[in-house]
Amino acid sequence: DAKTTQPTSMDCAEGRAANLPCNHSTISGNEYVYWYRQIHSQGPQYIIHGLKNNETNEMASLIITEDRKSSTLILPHATLRDTAVYYCILSNDYKLSFGAGTTVTVRA
Amino acid sequence: DVKVTQSSRYLVKRTGEKVFLECVQDMDHENMFWYRQDPGLGLRLIYFSYDVKMKEKGDIPEGYSVSREKKERFSLILESASTNQTSMYLCASSPWDGRNTIYFGEGSWLTVV
Repeated sequence: DAKTTQPTSMDCAEGRAANLPCNHSTISGNEYVYWYRQIHSQGPQYIIHGLKNNETNEMASLIITEDRKSSTLILPHATLRDTAVYYCILSNDYKLSFGAGTTVTVRA
Repeated sequence: DVKVTQSSRYLVKRTGEKVFLECVQDMDHENMFWYRQDPGLGLRLIYFSYDVKMKEKGDIPEGYSVSREKKERFSLILESASTNQTSMYLCASSPWDGRNTIYFGEGSWLTVV
């Protein structure tokens, strides 16, 4: 069962903001939204997570809708090094289930 | 920065060999994980350990065992390697803080011939 739905791929221009959507209409009250990314041939990298409030760190911002049924990861100024597969994951315990994610290609 | 180090980046082993994949983390994390990643199948959890000498099976434990004798070290063991265990293996760790920020190693590419 896919708990999250993400676009298969998207392109972004270097220097522009990249907005990555994720739908999770069946999210339960105690599930967090996590975002990870995986650059080719490397292990996944934690980006950010949130429960219901918007979050920001040095890598990205996470916007969660009020009903928590969807969220958006924002990379404010995409660089070529942000080219990766981005995973949106729901979890309330130690398990993370990685789906197919969104392949983001940042173009010069 | 959290550092999760996997001992071997690339390995080639023969069918039937016993294979050890070693992983060390330097942040005193309670939780450690072994995943494998295959094209089209994503990341799948093999085993999880939440403390020294404690382990739980993940989604695909068959053909694997694990060892956690020290908090910082988590080993994945393939008792008798088979060609269908050719894959990228990822070790990870996380603190037991109620959240789920998991830190991954660089991965070990295992080929069984």
